Order: sequence, then structure tokens, then C-alpha cells
Amino acid sequence: SQTIHQWPATLVQPVGSPLSLECTVEGTSNPNLYWYRQAAGRGLQLLFYSVGIGQISSEVPQNLSASRPQDRQFILSSKKLLLSDSGFYLCAWDTVTEAFFGQGTRLTVV
Amino acid sequence: GDSVTQMEGPVTLSEEAFLTINCTYTATGYPSLFWYVQYPGEGLQLLLKATKADDKGSNKGFEATYRKETTSFHLEKGSVQVSDSAVYFCALRTGGYNKLIFGAGTRLAVHP
Repeated sequence: SQTIHQWPATLVQPVGSPLSLECTVEGTSNPNLYWYRQAAGRGLQLLFYSVGIGQISSEVPQNLSASRPQDRQFILSSKKLLLSDSGFYLCAWDTVTEAFFGQGTRLTVV
Repeated sequence: GDSVTQMEGPVTLSEEAFLTINCTYTATGYPSLFWYVQYPGEGLQLLLKATKADDKGSNKGFEATYRKETTSFHLEKGSVQVSDSAVYFCALRTGGYNKLIFGAGTRLAVHP
């Protein structure tokens, strides 16, 4: 069966520090992968999506970047975090008929 | 571009009340439509879906009908429970862009 792992579950980082969130998928090949952010009291914003290794589409200009070094690995990064980067980050992969989400990472930048 | 618009929340209801959460969309072509639910502290789960006009998706007492003429996919439930308290997201997926687009989400609070 397909499984998606996302870690860490929670993270508190100081302003200006780097960030690396990792997401891996099991049980499928060549999935479409997504990073979403859900800021407090707001909806779900698509940050990046990837249709294959090394193929990243950025949906909004921001302080973050994404990479896909392997077929089932998707990494969200930042060189220097901002206060506004705080939020709930969700990794997902989808088929034509359904998307599967990780448990999310709650990031607090202090 | 493609987009999804949901009614603003929060929606507060008493147990056993009737629920409607409105969702309309803008898309090129013929998208698939979805409702996802997010319980507190968790990721999103698929609630129901419809892939073509006039299809009705249903699950756990929730229903939504794909209305092409009104570009809508409203979520309904005849009798809500406290356990239905969550955030509900309407979403669409267009084959051309191959990505999933979500609405802003609607928070539902059901009290006894």
C-alpha cells in the first residue's frame, strides 16, 4: 500500500536559520509530489509541485525552495527563515483520482 | 487561472442540524472535483469526489453533486455530529496542469 512519511512533526527555529523538511513516499513510482502551506487561520496554499526527478514548479515567490533528488523524495528548504515562514506544511502525492497527505510539520519561527 | 472559492467560515451548528458548505470553481476543461477534510492536528483526508458532470460523490453521510451549469460542488449532510467538527476543503484537479488546487477551507464546529 502507498504511504507517505513527513518529518519532523514539529519544529521551532530562530529567524535566519536554515530549514530542511523531508517527505518520502512508499508503494508507488513516479508520483506527482506537492508541498502546501497552511498559515494560521488561512487556507491551503500550493508552494511547489513536481512531476518527476529534478522537475520543480514554484507557485508563489517566496523564501523557500524545493528539490526532488530521488523519485520518491521531496525536500523543502530555506537558507534563512523569516517569521512569516511559520505555518503548517503538508507534503502530498496524488493519482488522477485522489491525493494522499503526510501528517504535516508545524513550523514556528521565533 | 484555475481556482476554487468556498464560503467563509466558521460554520457553527447544533448536532443533527443540516449542513451546506458552498463551493464554486473556475477551470478550463473538465476538472475532477474533491472534498477533503482535516481533523485537528492532522493532514487532509479525501472525503468524496466526482469526476464528471452530474456525478454525485458520497461518503459518511456527506454528499456533493458536480454541477457543470453552475460550476459548483456544494457539500451537504442531513444531520451533523460533533465528530464532524473539522476544516473542509473543496479542490479541483485539471488534467492539463496536472496539479491539485484547493479552496481556502471552511471550518465547521458542531456543538451538542
